[in-house]
Amino acid sequence: DAGITQSPRHKVTETGTPVTLRCHQTENHRYMYWYRQDPGHGLRLIHYSYGVKDTDKGEVSDGYSVSRSKTEDFLLTLESATSSQTSVYFCAISGVARTEAFFGQGTRLTVV
Amino acid sequence: QQQVKQSPQSLIVQKGGISIINCAYENTAFDYFPWYQQFPGKGPALLIAIRPDVSEKKEGRFTISFNKSAKQFSLHIMDSQPGDSATYFCAASGGFGNEKLTFGTGTRLTIIP
Repeated sequence: DAGITQSPRHKVTETGTPVTLRCHQTENHRYMYWYRQDPGHGLRLIHYSYGVKDTDKGEVSDGYSVSRSKTEDFLLTLESATSSQTSVYFCAISGVARTEAFFGQGTRLTVV
Repeated sequence: QQQVKQSPQSLIVQKGGISIINCAYENTAFDYFPWYQQFPGKGPALLIAIRPDVSEKKEGRFTISFNKSAKQFSLHIMDSQPGDSATYFCAASGGFGNEKLTFGTGTRLTIIP
């Protein structure tokens, strides 16, 4: 398995609170991605990073921010959690563009 | 904006049969087309991928067929087994500066004895 660790694996939080999810890799891969998975929508890209401090928005970025201060860590922050952000969040990494992406085990987030 | 459309949403196939999942894309700049397999509680994992310079790629029981003019590609699973029961996602990426994968909505495949 590729060295990707997502934390926490499960979280329940209240509406309006900030939440940060962490993705840590030990592969020294350049590209890192945050996706959310919802029934009927597949995997939708939230934000991605193509290097330290280099990030860009995906198709569902509203309400989310990211930071990458080190190669190995990519943080996803929900600035003020809403019930619509209840989802399973996956981090993925890849070393070269348009080659295999390796996914973490996911974080199940519930906003109540 | 759904750039990759996947069908069917769910599929039931008898053991030993052929499972076929289809995807269509819109962006002609896409040049990398992977399929991912996901088991419950796990992250997706790469199953097989193709680039548009070939029309077919086979790895064991899994085959991707690619039709560039129709902007379609499909996954065929031969001799389907109960262990193949999973959710399958097609994806695509490509174009200037586009390193990100766009996924289809997924197909839940169930293989029955």
